[in-house]
Amino acid sequence: GAGVSQSPRYKVAKRGQDVALRCDPISGHVSLFWYQQALGQGPEFLTYFQNEAQLDKSGLPSDRFFAERPEGSVSTLKIQRTQQEDSAVYLCASSLDRTRAYGYTFGSGTRLTVV
Amino acid sequence: GESVGLHLPTLSVQEGDNSIINCAYSNSASDYFIWYKQESGKGPQFIIDIRSNMDKRQGQRVTVLLNKTVKHLSLQIAATQPGDSAVYFCAEGGYSGGYQKVTFGIGTKLQVIP
Repeated sequence: GAGVSQSPRYKVAKRGQDVALRCDPISGHVSLFWYQQALGQGPEFLTYFQNEAQLDKSGLPSDRFFAERPEGSVSTLKIQRTQQEDSAVYLCASSLDRTRAYGYTFGSGTRLTVV
Repeated sequence: GESVGLHLPTLSVQEGDNSIINCAYSNSASDYFIWYKQESGKGPQFIIDIRSNMDKRQGQRVTVLLNKTVKHLSLQIAATQPGDSAVYFCAEGGYSGGYQKVTFGIGTKLQVIP
């Protein structure tokens, strides 16, 4: 497609439930990023992939968060045993190569609400 | 749609006037600085960037100014239009671990009064 696609658009999870959020980057984009955006805040970095390699996961807030991009295209962010503090918008962005990160294209995000 | 701008600093501007959005940054080692626009329910959209060795860059209706002495960045929007209403984020970028990493700052909500 023409842009970065994220699904689902909205997700309501009961506390303790596992969730999986999907990101379809722009075809051919090497770099893929996940960000977490709490209400009223700027996006905060979670993790970075270069093709299928996860080069930086320093922003993942706990070991309940796991991301993968097994074939270097679609990526999934998984959150196990969700907590209320996980409620946020999860944004995915992709970039053509690792040197043009400022030209990220963001998806519209998945709004996760943990009840 | 969702309110991205809840609790953010707000700037209200009359349609047709110029807008100036300010940002203070912290990392003097950043290679470049970027402004993003985020409309409600959407992801951030790249507007303009400036390298750390520049002090001014102009785009279409937008100008970014960089003052490294006081670590200050500003975005000027000429002839503000209703479609400019959004939350604006400044961000810092630089190489970290072999790739370009972007760190977002605090946003400012721009409200354009028709």
